[in-house]
Amino acid sequence: GAVVSQHPSWVICKSGTSVKIECRSLDFQATTMFWYRQFPKQSLMLMATSNEGSKATYEQGVEKDKFLINHASLTLSTLTVTSAHPEDSSFYICSARLPGADTQYFGPGTRLTVL
Amino acid sequence: AQKVTQAQTEISVVEKEDVTLDCVYETRDTTYYLFWYKQPPSGELVFLIRRNSFDEQNEISGRYSWNFQKSTSSFNFTITASQVVDSAVYFCALSEPPGANSKLTFGKGITLSVRP
Repeated sequence: GAVVSQHPSWVICKSGTSVKIECRSLDFQATTMFWYRQFPKQSLMLMATSNEGSKATYEQGVEKDKFLINHASLTLSTLTVTSAHPEDSSFYICSARLPGADTQYFGPGTRLTVL
Repeated sequence: AQKVTQAQTEISVVEKEDVTLDCVYETRDTTYYLFWYKQPPSGELVFLIRRNSFDEQNEISGRYSWNFQKSTSSFNFTITASQVVDSAVYFCALSEPPGANSKLTFGKGITLSVRP
C-alpha cells in the first residue's frame, strides 16, 4: 500500500516552455502532498506543501509564479514549471501523506532537463 | 529550528561487512518523528522506518536495525552482512510535531557503496 506515482519520469524541454508534472496517490487519498527538488548529490529541498482544495504553501525563496501547484483532488497534485530555464533543471520529487499519519511516501521522481 | 546531521558523506564496505550510518538531530519539540529513507540509483525514496520521540525501543527488521538514543539525540542505522543491493544514498529525516502540514527536515544523506 501507499503507492505514489509521478508522470512523466523524465522530460526534456526548450528554454521558455512550461512543463507539468503530475503526482498521484494510487491506493489512498492524500489530503497533503509535498513537492521537493533535489540537485545532484544533494539532499531534498522542500519547495511547497499542497493541501487538497486550497492554495499551496511555498517555502521561503521558492517563486510561486514560477512553480505553480494545483491539488484539485485527493489523489492528484500537479507542479507546473512555467517558462523553464536551464537553472530549473533538477530532479523533482513529490510525496503524499496518509490522512492522520506522519509518514510521507515518495513518488519515483521526475528528471527535468531544460535546454 | 530543526536540524539533521549526517556527518558521514560516503562509506564504502565490502559485501558481508556490517555498517552503521549515523544520524544526529536537533529539535526543541518534545513530540517528533524520525525516519530513514533509502534512495537507490533509480531515484525513488524508499521508506525504511519511522520512530516517534516517545518510543526509544530499538528495532530490528531482518538485516536492518535502528538504535534511537534520546540522550544523545541520535538515531543510528546498522546494516548487518551488507549486500551489493544495499548500495544507495540513505537519508535520515526529522518531522515536526504531528499536524496537517508538518514538514520533514532531511539530512544531507550518506552514500553507501557495497563492493562485491
